[in-house]
Formats: sequence, structure tokens, C-alpha cells
Amino acid sequence: QSALTQPPSASGSPGQSVTISCTGTSSDVGGYNYVSWYQQHPGKAPKLMIYEVTKRPSGVPDRFSGSKSGNTASLTVSGLQAEDEADYYCSSYAGNNKGVFGTGTKVTVL
Amino acid sequence: EVQVLESGGGLVQFGGSLRLSCAASGFTVYSNAMSWVRQAPGKGLEWVATISGSGSRTNYADFVKGRFSISRVNSENTMSLQMNSLRAEDTAMYYCAKDMGDSPAYNFDCWGQGTLVTVSS
Repeated sequence: QSALTQPPSASGSPGQSVTISCTGTSSDVGGYNYVSWYQQHPGKAPKLMIYEVTKRPSGVPDRFSGSKSGNTASLTVSGLQAEDEADYYCSSYAGNNKGVFGTGTKVTVL
Repeated sequence: EVQVLESGGGLVQFGGSLRLSCAASGFTVYSNAMSWVRQAPGKGLEWVATISGSGSRTNYADFVKGRFSISRVNSENTMSLQMNSLRAEDTAMYYCAKDMGDSPAYNFDCWGQGTLVTVSS
């Protein structure tokens, strides 16, 4: 299974919004509503931010939102804050009980 | 508190073997699907293997199939990854991750801090 495609980088000023795309195929992103997003700060373990395309785990700010259209999922971070600067990864169920991650996006808060 | 803690990483020679363990607390490993995810130095996340909850079905990424084996010991509340025929490209931080449900959906809501595996030639 090939990695899902994400832009290498994205940036925004504090208070602005940034949207990260995650493009797969009809065999993964487009075929299932099991897209998740993870935030990873340097040297730390990933943290679940969005699951099942649009759902937020308890404790995740509502500034984080997810969506999907066809084979592309998106994560939007509104009202950017300094602590949002991190790497973000999408993941998807890929059928046959397999999973696949995205290539990762480094978000910079200017 | 729900937690997982990995152990067993280290330096191993090309072609060698290593067994990683993941100790769970705050939940039972047979109630949730569990996975191993790895991250090579400076690279992205990569799904490695999954074991389902009650059914104990296992699945592997193509690049480890036949070399790695995932298992679970319910009485000890642990999950393991037996890694054989290790290659340089297996060098990575290996994370244990808990899925939100019994069946794999790749919604990992609990991660350990990782255990580093280094394969030398």
C-alpha cells in the first residue's frame, strides 16, 4: 500500500487558519470513513486529533476540524496558536485490515 | 489512566532478531485492536502490524510479512512484536498504539513513547 499524499509544509500567522490535504485512492481514503489525523511535536509520540473523518477526541480543541471529499481528506486548524506548530499525519483504513499513513506535513506558525 | 509502555529495543546486527513488548495499563489488550507503528529517523509514520481484539486476527504491512509476528498475552496484558531477519531499513522508533475499538479502524487514541531499534550492518 502506498503512503497517502500530503503537502510537505504549510504555514500561517497566529489567529489565521491552515488546511492540510491528504490524498489517497478509492481503496483507502475514498472507500471508508476511517480517516484520522495525528499531531506530533519533535521527539514526542503522535497524538490523535481527529478520527473517523470529523470526530474530535475529548480534550482536543474545536479549532481542529476534519472533512473529506472523494479521495481527499482535509484537516483545518483555525485560530492558529504557537503550540500548533508540529508535524501532522493523516491515516486511513486501507481494507483487508491494513492501515496506511500520510507522508506528513510540517506546520509552521509564522 | 490508559497507558502503553514499549520495551525491548536496542542494537542488533543485520539478519538478527529482536522481540518488542508493549505493556498496557488502564485497559485490557483483548478489548481493543493493537498495532505497531514505526518511524525511521527523520521520516514519517509507517504502519507495521495489527492484532484485533477479541478475534486475534493479525495483519502486516507487505514489507514485514513473513519476517515479523505480532501476538498478545492476555493474562499479562501485553502485546509483542517478534522481528526476524532484520534489515538496515528496519531501523526506526517503534510505537505501540491502541485502537479505539475491537476491530482495526486505525484510530489510535493511545501511544507509547516508543522503543528504538537500530540494525547495524
